[in-house]
Amino acid sequence: QVQLVESGGGLVKPGGSLRLSCAASGFIFSDFHMSWIRQAPGKGLDLVSYMSGSGGDISYSDSVKGRFTISRDNAKNSVFLQMDSLGVADTAMYYCARAHCSGTRCSRIDYWGQGTLVSVS
Amino acid sequence: QTVVTQEPSLTVSPGGTVTLTCASNTGAVTSGYYPNWFQQRPGQAPRALIYSTTNRHSWTPARFSGSLIGGKAALTLSGVQSEDEADYYCLLYYAGTPVFGGGTRLTVL
Repeated sequence: QVQLVESGGGLVKPGGSLRLSCAASGFIFSDFHMSWIRQAPGKGLDLVSYMSGSGGDISYSDSVKGRFTISRDNAKNSVFLQMDSLGVADTAMYYCARAHCSGTRCSRIDYWGQGTLVSVS
Repeated sequence: QTVVTQEPSLTVSPGGTVTLTCASNTGAVTSGYYPNWFQQRPGQAPRALIYSTTNRHSWTPARFSGSLIGGKAALTLSGVQSEDEADYYCLLYYAGTPVFGGGTRLTVL
């Protein structure tokens, strides 16, 4: 069965860095776009970044562009989010999720991990 | 800036029917936006319910259905159960880029 397991969250001071990981299993990892989606306390869902299966298509939200870097290791079935210059506004639960795309045309997000909590204070 | 709008909150009685909607500030929502719907119960991760406007995932109960109504994407819950009390989020794809709506808090009362 498909599983996504995030790790790497924690408490960090403003200006600090964290690297989140998402370990995937149960599907051909390189066939799928992977996304990082965050949810601030009491707020809605916010797409942070996504990357295509080959790594050739990458996107970031304006709020994290230049500070966050998404990457993936298809040999290890993992996607990562390097977060630098963290601010209080980055405090959130971070989820990784799998997306179905044909080229750059995506149609759905289906599986989500349980999330990893990032607190900046 | 692309904005996807949902009702902030709705209330429904057990056994009743309720429709949640998802609108785009760019105009009418069509199937080309591949509307997705997600459910998030308190303290849990989001769970996918509907994709490409009308398609249920294998785990989605039949009482959840998706459609287009009046230029918006819609999620209808029929025969609502107490366990359906949750936040519901829609997602629209704009030329391949996904944008979430702000969510609807559904109360079953």
